[in-house]
Amino acid sequence: RKEVEQDPGPFNVPEGATVAFNCTYSNSASQSFFWYRQDCRKEPKLLMSVYSSGNEDGRFTAQLNRASQYISLLIRDSKLSDSATYLCVVTDSSYKLIFGSGTRLLVRP
Amino acid sequence: DTAVSQTPKYLVTQMGNDKSIKCEQNLGHDTMYWYKQDSKKFLKIMFSYNNKELIINETVPNRFSPKSPDKAHLNLHINSLELGDSAVYFCASSQTGGASTDTQYFGPGTRLTVL
Repeated sequence: RKEVEQDPGPFNVPEGATVAFNCTYSNSASQSFFWYRQDCRKEPKLLMSVYSSGNEDGRFTAQLNRASQYISLLIRDSKLSDSATYLCVVTDSSYKLIFGSGTRLLVRP
Repeated sequence: DTAVSQTPKYLVTQMGNDKSIKCEQNLGHDTMYWYKQDSKKFLKIMFSYNNKELIINETVPNRFSPKSPDKAHLNLHINSLELGDSAVYFCASSQTGGASTDTQYFGPGTRLTVL
């Protein structure tokens, strides 16, 4: 079983749509949780950290459910520029980053 | 004023050759990393150095040898390249490498193609 699992997509949505991605992780000892964004042929960049209380950054909302070992990312009012691959990332007890394979989002005009 | 830089950006080489990839960060970070992203897009850590000292060494063939001459540089040397080494190699750095709030900053990647 993969340590971090994501639906690869692609999710193909119109501009203005709301889209949600989910991610599950297998190691209950995971310490920290993040969403990274990776554009085609570019490096991953941190989008946001994920906390148990949930957190919001503009149009992006992230949630963590430790009991179910589940992380989500909600994007409201999708923009064309949101098209990218979204990587779910957890850290183990030594703060090593464990990446999911990513969920691809395509926002169409 | 690139934060994490890598050279070369592209590397095409024959099987059996030896090659190096260089990484530099100007963020003043203590920890640097090498990751490999294969054709299936999985990004996996290979090595991590903190202040020139190796702290993470994943199950990587010993043909791969990292070298950190100082804490701002982490180079990756690969001996006897194989077809399966073709991938994108990302360097990254973070402030400490040991905190939940530590953010890793990635370089632009080196796309290695072994023919």
